[in-house]
Amino acid sequence: DGGITQSPKYLFRKEGQNVTLSCEQNLNHDAMYWYRQDPGQGLRLIYYSQIVNDFQKGDIAEGYSVSREKKESFPLTVTSAQKNPTAFYLCASSIGGGTLSSQHFGDGTRLSIL
Amino acid sequence: AQKITQTQPGMFVQEKEAVTLDCTYDTSDQSYGLFWYKQPSSGEMIFLIYQGSYDEQNATEGRYSLNFQKARKSANLVISASQLGDSAMYFCAMREGQAAGNKLTFGGGTRVLVKP
Repeated sequence: DGGITQSPKYLFRKEGQNVTLSCEQNLNHDAMYWYRQDPGQGLRLIYYSQIVNDFQKGDIAEGYSVSREKKESFPLTVTSAQKNPTAFYLCASSIGGGTLSSQHFGDGTRLSIL
Repeated sequence: AQKITQTQPGMFVQEKEAVTLDCTYDTSDQSYGLFWYKQPSSGEMIFLIYQGSYDEQNATEGRYSLNFQKARKSANLVISASQLGDSAMYFCAMREGQAAGNKLTFGGGTRVLVKP
């Protein structure tokens, strides 16, 4: 079945450590997105990519980095510069970047600080 | 300024009754899209319904309908005949045009609890 796979489902980070969240899609979608969700709140955009080898900062990019070397993959690295990384992270993709395209989401990764 | 506002943090609804979730938005774009997503306690985001800014008719998808009032910048979700499985968080989102990077902006969400 086509879809978006995020791994791992749960992730623990030590202080000062970088961690990478995986997002893979087999929907042949051009655009991919990373969101952060804090408890009881809505989603905030971290980074997005509309084509391979190109990405843009979202509203809360500080302390995060991404790459888009393949169409199917859009990993997110939470760096040690992100001082409050505990949150639920959601990856999404859409056919294109136009206003008509709905986004399809993965099941998310819960990141916690040890 | 908030681009998407959901004023109801939480709502109770009786099973089999209808419920309306409010959403107002702010944009200067002529072309934009409005979306509603459902998020159960497991965390996944489920796409429910879409309304384009140029669509003259309100969108409907099964028990979901979108009450689109463009002049008031309102895009309320109506869930008819509520079921226990409708208990979840509901998010309204807007996608603006290229000038805004085609990004999706979410509201703060409304938690719905369906009572038997």
